[in-house]
Amino acid sequence: QQQVKQSPQSLIVQKGGISIINCAYENTAFDYFPWYQQFPGKGPALLIAIRPDVSEKKEGRFTISFNKSAKQFSLHIMDSQPGDSATYFCAASGYSSASKIIFGSGTRLSIRP
Amino acid sequence: ETGVTQSPTHLIKTRGQQVTLRCSSQSGHNTVSWYQQALGQGPQFIFQYYREEENGRGNFPPRFSGLQFPNYSSELNVNALELDDSALYLCASSGPGLAGGTDTQYFGPGTRLTVL
Repeated sequence: QQQVKQSPQSLIVQKGGISIINCAYENTAFDYFPWYQQFPGKGPALLIAIRPDVSEKKEGRFTISFNKSAKQFSLHIMDSQPGDSATYFCAASGYSSASKIIFGSGTRLSIRP
Repeated sequence: ETGVTQSPTHLIKTRGQQVTLRCSSQSGHNTVSWYQQALGQGPQFIFQYYREEENGRGNFPPRFSGLQFPNYSSELNVNALELDDSALYLCASSGPGLAGGTDTQYFGPGTRLTVL
């Protein structure tokens, strides 16, 4: 009930390509879906987030697509750059600072020059 | 960089020992959450403190305990360490929030705990 499933586990994309990471959730009580980016030796940093009342949110090169009926959401990174190489986590929570965040298992993204 | 700091950066303990990890929240934040991140895994919620009271707990045994102080800094204590406790321990702070809104949880860099 509490799981967030993430795929793929690792991803290699050529510079300038599109990186796509997919996630699925089970608990329909979730209503906040953030994506975090984590570099080695650092804590996760919020990249972009979406609520289920919209189907897409775009910030710069990063876009979240959200399908409420399928309980799936995905992160698209356009024009992928070597600096985007990091581990990406999808997550889900309730909509308040008191909500615990349920993380996916992570995707290690490598952008080839 | 967030304003969340954690100490120490790295720590090595032996099985059965006790450990205390510390977290200073970002200025203005009154909520601290602790997460355990095993190697190659996503962070898992341990517990959260709000105004010095525990405000939610994940699936961790009672030997994981915590405190929050009046300045909103926090400690995570782990007793009777086990080998499986080896992980990166992250704290995240968040603010008092606006009505109807969510508050981003800002993560610190973590403490890497190794249990031998």
